[in-house]
Amino acid sequence: EDQVTQSPEALRLQEGESSSLNCSYTVSGLRGLFWYRQDPGKGPEFLFTLYSAGEEKEKERLKATLTKKESFLHITAPKPEDSATYLCAVQASGTASKLTFGTGTRLQVTL
Amino acid sequence: GAVVSQHPSWVICKSGTSVKIECRSLDFQATTMFWYRQFPKQSLMLMATSNEGSKATYEQGVEKDKFLINHASLTLSTLTVTSAHPEDSSFYICSVRPGHNSPLHFGNGTRLTVT
Repeated sequence: EDQVTQSPEALRLQEGESSSLNCSYTVSGLRGLFWYRQDPGKGPEFLFTLYSAGEEKEKERLKATLTKKESFLHITAPKPEDSATYLCAVQASGTASKLTFGTGTRLQVTL
Repeated sequence: GAVVSQHPSWVICKSGTSVKIECRSLDFQATTMFWYRQFPKQSLMLMATSNEGSKATYEQGVEKDKFLINHASLTLSTLTVTSAHPEDSSFYICSVRPGHNSPLHFGNGTRLTVT
């Protein structure tokens, strides 16, 4: 059974204080690993897709990396508007579009 | 811009009644749509895959007679929660894949509260 574990559950940072979020996964053949951002009361917003170990993607203050067992979402010099829940999900090979999600990391960035 | 629209954004209903949630794909035709459910502090869980013109495919443990899915057109899928109970209170989110190699894009969800 595919599993995704995210840590920490919650993270509080001061503006400008860089950090990383972890996503550990087990999957029967990785087709893709996805990062989403979810604001309270909203649906997830797509951030990145990673397909193979060693791959990296960047977008503004966010950088996602992937190994064979985990993915990291690095946040550099965060701003208050980066406050949200960050979700990690995996799609196994042979599945049409089923994503297995972690429970997310709730990030709060304060001034 | 938004890829998928969901309505309503929130609904409150009484126990035993039915509630319909709509999911529309914007600017493209979606032969397949996906319905997820999210309980507080839990992960999103796939409930069912909605297929245009044919029966939906339900995940293990999801009652197909309770969660009726209709995908009557290439831009609209509906989820009806029948005979709702308080334990059905949750956040229901639909999603679509705009292209073969595209990631899933999610609607803004529907917060259902059953009293």
